[in-house]
Amino acid sequence: RKEVEQDPGPFNVPEGATVAFNCTYSNSASQSFFWYRQDCRKEPKLLMSVYSSGNEDGRFTAQLNRASQYISLLIRDSKLSDSATYLCVVNIGKFYFGSGTKLNVKP
Amino acid sequence: EAQVTQNPRYLITVTGKKLTVTCSQNMNHEYMSWYRQDPGLGLRQIYYSMNVEVTDKGDVPEGYKVSRKEKRNFPLILESPSPNQTSLYFCASSRGLAGTYEQYFGPGTRLTVT
Repeated sequence: RKEVEQDPGPFNVPEGATVAFNCTYSNSASQSFFWYRQDCRKEPKLLMSVYSSGNEDGRFTAQLNRASQYISLLIRDSKLSDSATYLCVVNIGKFYFGSGTKLNVKP
Repeated sequence: EAQVTQNPRYLITVTGKKLTVTCSQNMNHEYMSWYRQDPGLGLRQIYYSMNVEVTDKGDVPEGYKVSRKEKRNFPLILESPSPNQTSLYFCASSRGLAGTYEQYFGPGTRLTVT
């Protein structure tokens, strides 16, 4: 079983839609959690860290559910520029990456 | 500007010709790591370093070497490249593995081995 699992998608949504991604992790000792955004053939860039209390940054909201061992990313009012692959990253004394969820936002 | 740099960005080489991909960070980070990314396989860790002179194997270390003689630099060495090492390589750095420190990635090196 992989340490971190994501639905690969793609998620095809219209502009303005709200879309949510989940990511499950297998190790309850996981220390920290992140969402990264990766554009095609570019480096992953930190979108947001995920805190126990949940956190919001503009149109993006991240949640952590330790009991069920998943993190989520909610994107409201999707823009064309949100089209990318979103990587879930979990630190369990080492960084583990999900395989990414591809988002296509269409006009 | 805080950043991770990699060179070269693109490289085409032939089987067996030794090459080095450099990685440097200006954030005084202790932790550095190399990943390769292949279609359908996601990011896989090759080697990592917790600090100067401290390196360890990741998930796919075969065919690669690294060194960490200075805190800022973490070169990746392919002593005898083979076509199955054709990939997109990323270097990353972080303040450390403890706590909530994120990783910062270099721009990537696209390597083709013919």
